[in-house]
Amino acid sequence: SQKIEQNSEALNIQEGKTATLTCNYTNYSPAYLQWYRQDPGRGPVFLLLIRENEKEKRKERLKVTFDTTLKQSLFHITASQPADSATYLCALEGYGQNFVFGPGTRLSVLP
Amino acid sequence: NAGVTQTPKFQVLKTGQSMTLQCAQDMNHNSMYWYRQDPGMGLRLIYYSASEGTTDKGEVPNGYNVSRLNKREFSLRLESAAPSQTSVYFCASSVMGSSPPTPYEQYFGPGTRLTVT
Repeated sequence: SQKIEQNSEALNIQEGKTATLTCNYTNYSPAYLQWYRQDPGRGPVFLLLIRENEKEKRKERLKVTFDTTLKQSLFHITASQPADSATYLCALEGYGQNFVFGPGTRLSVLP
Repeated sequence: NAGVTQTPKFQVLKTGQSMTLQCAQDMNHNSMYWYRQDPGMGLRLIYYSASEGTTDKGEVPNGYNVSRLNKREFSLRLESAAPSQTSVYFCASSVMGSSPPTPYEQYFGPGTRLTVT
């Protein structure tokens, strides 16, 4: 069956360290994968999109990798700050023009 | 630009009651979506509309109907609410263009928290 998993429900990290979040998928062949940030009580906000032919994408302190052989995407936040605390969702192209979302990882950056 | 707006923000219904969730976007996007979000389950697609005049079922359409009233507005109707429909509902829209080079990026509304007792 098709499945998207994100490494853990919650991740605690010390301020200034690099946070690494994992998104694994089974029985999908996505051409695109996206990452979103969601704050409590709000809708998700788009962060980055990576295509299947791109190994890595960067935006400021964010870096995303996409390994179609491992069926995995890694999302890194370098020099993490308490303001980075949020839930991060991965979403991959499921069928048609629609995306399927993972359950999310709640990141807490401790001062 | 307001982006994607949703009304109401909160709603409590009794089992069997009906209601319509409203969504509007002012970004001239072709595609619009309705999701529900439940703890530990991520966002699940209920219905989507690829363009004005078309609607299609998503992953969890049972118990819901939608109307794409025009390019801006996409409503979700619960005809006979059930406790299993207690959830947070998000509307989203997206652009299908090549410029900027971010196809399928979705813009979400603030959500509607629905409780069915």
